[in-house]
Amino acid sequence: RKEVEQDPGPFNVPEGATVAFNCTYSNSASQSFFWYRQDCRKEPKLLMSVYSSGNEDGRFTAQLNRASQYISLLIRDSKLSDSATYLCVVNGGFQKLVFGTGTRLLVSP
Amino acid sequence: EAGVTQFPSHSVIEKGQTVTLRCDPISGHDNLYWYRRVMGKEIKFLLHFVKESKQDESGMPNNRFLAERTGGTYSTLKVQPAELEDSGVYFCASSHEQGNYNSPLHFGNGTRLTVT
Repeated sequence: RKEVEQDPGPFNVPEGATVAFNCTYSNSASQSFFWYRQDCRKEPKLLMSVYSSGNEDGRFTAQLNRASQYISLLIRDSKLSDSATYLCVVNGGFQKLVFGTGTRLLVSP
Repeated sequence: EAGVTQFPSHSVIEKGQTVTLRCDPISGHDNLYWYRRVMGKEIKFLLHFVKESKQDESGMPNNRFLAERTGGTYSTLKVQPAELEDSGVYFCASSHEQGNYNSPLHFGNGTRLTVT
């Protein structure tokens, strides 16, 4: 079983739609959690950290459920520029990040 | 502030040859990491330097891979001899605060290695 599991997609949505991605992790001792965004042939870039209380950054909302070992990312009012691969990432200790395979999002006009 | 820079951006070599990848972290970042993504797989941790010392090299695949960070500045990752399964994208990342689990990692653009 992979340490971080994600649905690879792709998720095809029209502009303006709301889309949600989910992720599960296996190590219950994990301390911190992130969503990274990766554009084609580019490096991963931090989108947002994920906190137990849930956190929001503009159109993006991240949530963490420690009991279920489940992380989610909600994108509202999707833009064409949101098209990318979204990586669920768990800190395995000393910033040794454990990545999911990523969920591909395609936003169409 | 200059970001993490990696060189070369692409490298195509034959099986059995040697390749050396270089990473220049953000100035002042003590933590330097190497990750790689092979085709169709997730990005995986290779190793972590704190300054010039190897903090964790548990992700290094085998002894054909050698990473160094002399002087605690830039780092090199040498693959010798290269095998076909070493093909992939090698990312370097750096961060400032050790032990701060939410301190962001800054990734370089990666080196795309193709072994033929």
